[in-house]
Amino acid sequence: KAGVTQTPRYLIKTRGQQVTLSCSPISGHRSVSWYQQTPGQGLQFLFEYFSETQRNKGNFPGRFSGRQFSNSRSEMNVSTLELGDSALYLCASSTQGDSREQYFGPGTRLTVT
Amino acid sequence: DAKTTQPTSMDCAEGRAANLPCNHSTISGNEYVYWYRQIHSQGPQYIIHGLKNNETNEMASLIITEDRKSSTLILPHATLRDTAVYYCIVTRTGGSQGNLIFGKGTKLSVKP
Repeated sequence: KAGVTQTPRYLIKTRGQQVTLSCSPISGHRSVSWYQQTPGQGLQFLFEYFSETQRNKGNFPGRFSGRQFSNSRSEMNVSTLELGDSALYLCASSTQGDSREQYFGPGTRLTVT
Repeated sequence: DAKTTQPTSMDCAEGRAANLPCNHSTISGNEYVYWYRQIHSQGPQYIIHGLKNNETNEMASLIITEDRKSSTLILPHATLRDTAVYYCIVTRTGGSQGNLIFGKGTKLSVKP
């Protein structure tokens, strides 16, 4: 099976802009989770989607949002970008039954200038 | 989810077994121990998990103490490609609890 894919892999944006990141899960996986990784805060959970519904959310401001489509593909959006949003954004997919066994994509490296 | 404590870093000689410890003294009866690793600049990779019995797969073995307050991940024959940060995570499974809480992990350096 193909792994989790994320696009784009690298992105440079300016403060105040918005950005949309995309994630395609492993075929058959219905849960998609998003994480942010920074040197200072480490890996932090953003949100999880299952069957097009957000069912878990981390402690991030409302500027961070996401959605999931009927084919389980997911997007996350960050509006009004801040310098502190520079990070590696990771997407992970899992089956319905055991969402802790997650399979991560390579991530999107976002740089905000 | 219960808190975990791991050493910040460890070294291991190539070809030798790497034993990575994790303390989780406040673990609850319905919480599992999961291990992930993250090789530099890649996404984390699932390794293994267990509840109370020892587990083994093609990547590693997981030894959980009888009181479940600590565990050890064993890489039987470490290679240079096993150099990574290893995360021990204690968590419940299933349903709407889909997030993993990553700590600082242990940076394992496998040396020739």
